[in-house]
Amino acid sequence: QKEVEQDPGPLSVPEGAIVSLNCTYSNSAFQYFMWYRQYSRKGPELLMYTYSSGNKEDGRFTAQVDKSSKYISLFIRDSQPSDSATYLCARGGADGLTFGKGTHLIIQP
Amino acid sequence: KAGVTQTPRYLIKTRGQQVTLSCSPISGHRSVSWYQQTPGQGLQFLFEYFSETQRNKGNFPGRFSGRQFSNSRSEMNVSTLELGDSALYLCASSSGGGSGGEQYFGPGTRLTVT
Repeated sequence: QKEVEQDPGPLSVPEGAIVSLNCTYSNSAFQYFMWYRQYSRKGPELLMYTYSSGNKEDGRFTAQVDKSSKYISLFIRDSQPSDSATYLCARGGADGLTFGKGTHLIIQP
Repeated sequence: KAGVTQTPRYLIKTRGQQVTLSCSPISGHRSVSWYQQTPGQGLQFLFEYFSETQRNKGNFPGRFSGRQFSNSRSEMNVSTLELGDSALYLCASSSGGGSGGEQYFGPGTRLTVT
């Protein structure tokens, strides 16, 4: 079982919709959780970083961590076509970062 | 503040050759990590350097090696290239005392092995 599981998609939603992206992880020792956005042929861009259970909000983005169920989510409000990208979740610990394979998100104008 | 830079951006090599990739971290960052990204396997951790010492290593063969210089710049070397080494190689830097903190990625080097 891969340490971080993520549905690859593609996930296609209309512009303005709320997007929900999810990951599960298997190792309780994970301490940090991150979401990255990656456009085609670019490096990943850090969107959200959190180390505790609960919600963290930054503009249109909300990261949610539930350590009891080993579940992390990213919500995007008022989605825009420019949000179309691959979203990668990652967990961090003493041994570095482990990534999910990414979810390909398409926002239809 | 300038971001993470990687050179070269694109590279084509032949099987059996070796290659060296370079990464300059964000100014003040002392940790540099390297990752390989392929469509099939996603982003996989290669190794991390902090203050010129390898702090963590992923599950890659010994053909993959790296080093870090006193100015925190890092290089990655792959010897005896195989077709399966074709990938986007990404480096990320962090300020970091502890592993796993916020990491900022460069644009990557796209390596094609023919």
